Amino acid sequence: EAGVAQSPRYKIIEKRQSVAFWCNPISGHATLYWYQQILGQGPKLLIQFQNNGVVDDSQLPKDRFSAERLKGVDSTLKIQPAKLEDSAVYLCASSLSPWYEQYFGPGTRLTVT
Amino acid sequence: AQSVTQLDSHVSVSEGTPVLLRCNYSSSYSPSLFWYVQHPNKGLQLLLKYTSAATLVKGINGFEAEFKKSETSFHLTKPSAHMSDAAEYFCVVTENNAGGTSYGKLTFGQGTILTVHP
Repeated sequence: EAGVAQSPRYKIIEKRQSVAFWCNPISGHATLYWYQQILGQGPKLLIQFQNNGVVDDSQLPKDRFSAERLKGVDSTLKIQPAKLEDSAVYLCASSLSPWYEQYFGPGTRLTVT
Repeated sequence: AQSVTQLDSHVSVSEGTPVLLRCNYSSSYSPSLFWYVQHPNKGLQLLLKYTSAATLVKGINGFEAEFKKSETSFHLTKPSAHMSDAAEYFCVVTENNAGGTSYGKLTFGQGTILTVHP
């Protein structure tokens, strides 16, 4: 069974530029999560989707971050414009439903200069 | 609200000696608790989970954890460390609703980096 796929693995941009990350969950997983992991901290949930609907986006900085999950499969997370403090690893995870185990992708490491 | 405190940011042990990674949690309702491991440049992997069944939980690679409600603790242990155990470990909590099912929102601790010396 293929795991959660993410791309790109690494991205370096300048502040005020925009960037997008892509996630392909495990086939059949209805729930998809985006986490932000700043160096030295544990991951923090940004947004949770159930199929193509948003369940929880309370910690998503909506003035600059956006996410979508069209057709309830792949998802993209966008930052526009980026700030220095957005430098982090962005993790995507998926699960069959909210009460099942979450499987994590390898992450995208973003550096904002 | 739920939260997790990992009491040690770094733990260093010699190969073959016991491992103890400490975790305290706070939760308004009955929690589920997890330990995840993160090796460099790899994704997070679930080690073990507690979901209100047996309080002593066994996981992969010889790790186990004991849920102690009176102490609000969920410490991770392993009798004998191996070089391949060197990684960062996260204690994680999620709240369950009155029916005992999870909302899915994981709250991670700050992480404990485990170093294993030969």
